[in-house]
Amino acid sequence: NAGVTQTPKFRVLKTGQSMTLLCAQDMNHEYMYWYRQDPGMGLRLIHYSVGEGTTAKGEVPDGYNVSRLKKQNFLLGLESAAPSQTSVYFCASSFPGGLNEQFFGPGTRLTVL
Amino acid sequence: LAKTTQPISMDSYEGQEVNITCSHNNIATNDYITWYQQFPSQGPRFIIQGYKTKVTNEVASLFIPADRKSSTLSLPRVSLSDTAVYYCLGNTDKLIFGTGTRLQVFP
Repeated sequence: NAGVTQTPKFRVLKTGQSMTLLCAQDMNHEYMYWYRQDPGMGLRLIHYSVGEGTTAKGEVPDGYNVSRLKKQNFLLGLESAAPSQTSVYFCASSFPGGLNEQFFGPGTRLTVL
Repeated sequence: LAKTTQPISMDSYEGQEVNITCSHNNIATNDYITWYQQFPSQGPRFIIQGYKTKVTNEVASLFIPADRKSSTLSLPRVSLSDTAVYYCLGNTDKLIFGTGTRLQVFP
């Protein structure tokens, strides 16, 4: 049981490049989330999904897109990376409802030059 | 969504009890209070959750008074491995993380 895994662990992009971060969970969770964490800051919700084929905006969605084609996967895309998107990205999943414990992945450290 | 306020940092020594208080003056009737722990270079990890009075598990205790405008996370006999950032959240459907409380435990 791997829990929540994220790919890649590290990435360096140049401004304007695009990339996709992959999150996978094997706990059969309905809900999945993408957060970003800037140095010395808490986590901020980017997008989330309450089920396969559905996504919704979080606190800071601009510059990101997401897709949930399969229940176990949640993809975060950056179409045209900017230095302001340099951050650590965490994926999480949970059973339905915000009262349920969220399980977090190990994070992806992204640097945009 | 309840906005929470916590101390930015706290220091303690091994073996001491640590109490971290969180204020959430505008908590909604159906909000629960949840605490997460985050070690450097890792994602947050759930510690404990409660609605009212006291909840205890193998890691910590959570005290929530009757007015629910604050809550206190109690870590008994901390060790060096408890050095981490602790987040208090009032959550319904989405989690709003603040900057958390950075706990440093010294030998």
